[in-house]
Amino acid sequence: AQSVTQLDSQVPVFEEAPVELRCNYSSSVSVYLFWYVQYPNQGLQLLLKYLSGSTLVKGINGFEAEFNKSQTSFHLRKPSVHISDTAEYFCAVSTGGFKTIFGAGTRLFVKA
Amino acid sequence: EAQVTQNPRYLITVTGKKLTVTCSQNMNHEYMSWYRQDPGLGLRQIYYSMNVEVTDKGDVPEGYKVSRKEKRNFPLILESPSPNQTSLYFCASSWTDPRADTQYFGPGTRLTVL
Repeated sequence: AQSVTQLDSQVPVFEEAPVELRCNYSSSVSVYLFWYVQYPNQGLQLLLKYLSGSTLVKGINGFEAEFNKSQTSFHLRKPSVHISDTAEYFCAVSTGGFKTIFGAGTRLFVKA
Repeated sequence: EAQVTQNPRYLITVTGKKLTVTCSQNMNHEYMSWYRQDPGLGLRQIYYSMNVEVTDKGDVPEGYKVSRKEKRNFPLILESPSPNQTSLYFCASSWTDPRADTQYFGPGTRLTVL
């Protein structure tokens, strides 16, 4: 069975500092990987996704993620965060059967 | 505007009183899904539908029913709600296979069962 582990429940960071949100998954088959963002009182929206090909994936708002098959990780990074990046971020994995498994989420707090 | 709408946005009810949360999308998407979001657990999939009259269970289907009679609508039915179904519910849709296509999420329905 697939599972997703987001290693940090909360990440505080100062504005303009770099940030990395960590995600590990477990699956015995090929996976599709996603990062979603949820701003306060809103639904989720897709940041980026990995389907195949290049392991470095670029998304919206300056975010990128790197797929590492040997470490079964899909960490999300941004070189310089803004106050407006304060939100909850979800890593998700999908394999067969049209199901999507989400991690528990990481709350990113960007401080001035 | 392309969107997924849910109604109601907020609902307080009592144990055992049947309720329906509606979900509608205007993008002609084939795939639709319901999730519940609980603190520390992230989103868990309740049911999904690949097309009209085709539905399947997600990871937490107990206590829920769905139907897909029309492509645009995917209502979530709680026949006899219980307090452990207090949660934030999201509907989502995508063109076809959510593994390859982006899922678009509705604004959420916050349900409290007393």
